[in-house]
Amino acid sequence: DTEVTQTPKHLVMGMTNKKSLKCEQHMGHRAMYWYKQKAKKPPELMFVYSYEKLSINESVPSRFSPECPNSSLLNLHLHALQPEDSALYLCASSQVTGNYGYTFGSGTRLTVV
Amino acid sequence: KQEVTQIPAALSVPEGENLVLNCSFTDSAIYNLQWFRQDPGKGLTSLLLIQSSQREQTSGRLNASLDKSSGRSTLYIAASQPGDSATYLCAVGNMDSNYQLIWGAGTKLIIKP
Repeated sequence: DTEVTQTPKHLVMGMTNKKSLKCEQHMGHRAMYWYKQKAKKPPELMFVYSYEKLSINESVPSRFSPECPNSSLLNLHLHALQPEDSALYLCASSQVTGNYGYTFGSGTRLTVV
Repeated sequence: KQEVTQIPAALSVPEGENLVLNCSFTDSAIYNLQWFRQDPGKGLTSLLLIQSSQREQTSGRLNASLDKSSGRSTLYIAASQPGDSATYLCAVGNMDSNYQLIWGAGTKLIIKP
């Protein structure tokens, strides 16, 4: 299995809702990432988990809460989002040092209304 | 601080042409460079990964080269097809950024039938 699977593919949520994005990989990668991508821009790193521990938080607002329950799963919990948070959210995984490249999922298109 | 630039920002060519996309970076202390393809609203598909010790990688009609000393990589696409239309992003794995990816802004490629 050489894929990163993200669910759901599309999500529309109100500003008072709580929702979660899910990401799963079975490649034995011990680093997992959340990226945010706005239209016509490159991805922006949000969080990095290494060996199931949060190693990097790129000053992301607390309304985004990551969780890594085990080495194959990564969640992003969303609460009280703003319309400007609407974007494509990408999950990726790699060996811890990234030596063998990164594998990305197909993303979740999030719209906040 | 590592900066990655992709030129041109957009490119439109007739079907069947060979073409070259460019990626340049300012700091040669990289450990690898990865080329990705992104279709509109979709996730990132890895095309080629070049380790810092390598000069080029090939996959089908794609060939990527790396010249660390000059801070350049090129992605060569042979016999272009309309299905090659997408945005192509290069990303550098940077030693000074804790092995995180530093992204170019992408080249939007349109292949005209």
